[in-house]
Amino acid sequence: GAVVSQHPSRVICKSGTSVKIECRSLDFQATTMFWYRQFPKQSLMLMATSNEGSKATYEQGVEKDKFLINHASLTLSTLTVTSAHPEDSSFYICSAQTSGPYNEQFFGPGTRLTVL
Amino acid sequence: QQQVKQSPQSLIVQKGGISIINCAYENTAFDYFPWYQQFPGKGPALLIAIRPDVSEKKEGRFTISFNKSAKQFSLHIMDSQPGDSATYFCAAAFYNQGGKLIFGQGTELSVKP
Repeated sequence: GAVVSQHPSRVICKSGTSVKIECRSLDFQATTMFWYRQFPKQSLMLMATSNEGSKATYEQGVEKDKFLINHASLTLSTLTVTSAHPEDSSFYICSAQTSGPYNEQFFGPGTRLTVL
Repeated sequence: QQQVKQSPQSLIVQKGGISIINCAYENTAFDYFPWYQQFPGKGPALLIAIRPDVSEKKEGRFTISFNKSAKQFSLHIMDSQPGDSATYFCAAAFYNQGGKLIFGQGTELSVKP
């Protein structure tokens, strides 16, 4: 149980285009999902917290107009990188939080974004 | 005060040996301490987690030792195997504040055959 999927697994796009990444909890409902960014050999950096049916909460320094997050259902959250530039190239990872005594987070497999 | 400091940055262990990774935190309000394992190009996977009301938790070859007074916790991997070679992250969270994880810097473990 507790499987989280991401789509696509990797995407290459031209500078200036927008890219949408989907995060799905496959076997549980997730009121809260998180979006992270990870650079090579570095730790995960939380970008935003996504709550179903409400606006996402962004971490300090993350541009909310550039990284649009939508959490329209209890099993799906999307991250759209708008007008992507080469510096947005990174590994984007989502996680979904279970409800219960520990509120465990289960992570998706990640999406490798390369902006040319 | 929200930081979690992890060491060492990298670790090389012989097959069959014990791998030990340490983490330290400052905020005593943290109440959930998970460890994640990440292979290259993959998302992190929850390995084992502990709450501050216990001092040790063991699952198979993996053990978390927790020292509340010292504000430290560690991961021990017994009988380390080449398949354990991965990056390990400790984390801390406030359970009652949405569960937002604060990650350590990561430890790259290499288990030599």
